[in-house]
Amino acid sequence: EIVLTQSPGTLSLSPGERTTLSCRASQSVSSSYLAWYQQKPGQAPRLLIYATSSRATAIPDRFSGSGSWTDFTLTISRLDLEDFAVYYCQQYGNSPYTFGQGTKLEIK
Amino acid sequence: QVQLRQWGAGLLKPSETLSLTCAVYGGSFSGYYWSWIRQPPGKGLEWIGEINHSGSTNYNPSLKSRVTISLDTSRNQFSLKLSSVTAADLAVYYCARGGGSLWNWGQGTLVTVSS
Repeated sequence: EIVLTQSPGTLSLSPGERTTLSCRASQSVSSSYLAWYQQKPGQAPRLLIYATSSRATAIPDRFSGSGSWTDFTLTISRLDLEDFAVYYCQQYGNSPYTFGQGTKLEIK
Repeated sequence: QVQLRQWGAGLLKPSETLSLTCAVYGGSFSGYYWSWIRQPPGKGLEWIGEINHSGSTNYNPSLKSRVTISLDTSRNQFSLKLSSVTAADLAVYYCARGGGSLWNWGQGTLVTVSS
């Protein structure tokens, strides 16, 4: 199975800052089938990005995804207070589909 | 707006079978994949498996021997059964719409296993 490693584990930033989250796969992700999710405490995850760079419905354009093969990134251009949460990447090009361990974005 | 609502027993004894159902409201049921994911408390997400509109399933090999996902298209529902549960199956279980990328999620059900 494909192992996804996210870095860093925790990011401490201030509202208004720009940030990039990393997701590295143990082998190439087929057809760029890589998604990003946001999860807040006590809530289900929410799909942000699918197919590496396509924003899901109603996702603000400050969120963007990029990458290919084994290296992928999620960029948040200007942090809003509501963006402080845990972010997971997921590959769905090879079964079993797998998730990274998450990056926690916290307020500095 | 598609909504998923799930229910099922939240407290099980070791060796019992976990059974959860997810109902889909406000959108088409046919033509989509439907999935189950779980999350141990304080930990990351684990994909359990998926089923498509025709009933074909795809399971995580780590759980395959114990998992059954099924459809009830007449009720716009799908279900998860996980047999022979142990303490290692303690988690919040989520249903979701999608095969691969997961577009809409249920509210989650905490399942505890204790004798």
